[in-house]
Amino acid sequence: DAGITQSPRHKVTETGTPVTLRCHQTENHRYMYWYRQDPGHGLRLIHYSYGVKDTDKGEVSDGYSVSRSKTEDFLLTLESATSSQTSVYFCAISESKGQDYGYTFGSGTRLTVV
Amino acid sequence: SQKIEQNSEALNIQEGKTATLTCNYTNYSPAYLQWYRQDPGRGPVFLLLIRENEKEKRKERLKVTFDTTLKQSLFHITASQPADSATYLCALEAGSNSGYALNFGKGTSLLVTP
Repeated sequence: DAGITQSPRHKVTETGTPVTLRCHQTENHRYMYWYRQDPGHGLRLIHYSYGVKDTDKGEVSDGYSVSRSKTEDFLLTLESATSSQTSVYFCAISESKGQDYGYTFGSGTRLTVV
Repeated sequence: SQKIEQNSEALNIQEGKTATLTCNYTNYSPAYLQWYRQDPGRGPVFLLLIRENEKEKRKERLKVTFDTTLKQSLFHITASQPADSATYLCALEAGSNSGYALNFGKGTSLLVTP
């Protein structure tokens, strides 16, 4: 499986401050995704990328922006964090799994907005 | 709207028995369906992909069925072990132009007791 590193692993921030989460992959995969996971809602897609500078919105994109200036890095930015954005954020890539394909997820970032 | 439904109630079974988890979906025309395992505090891990033309797929003690008429997938773990205790998620492709983005069910928690 691809190496995916998310940073930071934990963050506490104040309402109204900007926050950037980083997802780094080591194997040149084209497709990368950001999800948030909340109790009662499961995993929900925020944004995804299908190449350098190519991104699109997911189900819950309001309040979030993304950038991908290099293949290996996909950044998620909360321009002005709100308490409703307290969540666990997962990055994922799509890659071959033997004869099939599926996601490999990072370890997640637990974000608390106070 | 698109929905993926998994039994929200936890499934408790005894070691050695077969666990069966259900995934139902509406307003999807999936070419494939995926299953993931998630342990507390960690990202989901890919288990299996089953295609629309495959009725059944097996991997070690796992068996997945896919009925596109019933719009349902069943996930079986035979000879279950306490180490199988986790949350299991099913996932479908969000749309044909979604960069292979997946929508996930909320998951079913499985507890296998000795």
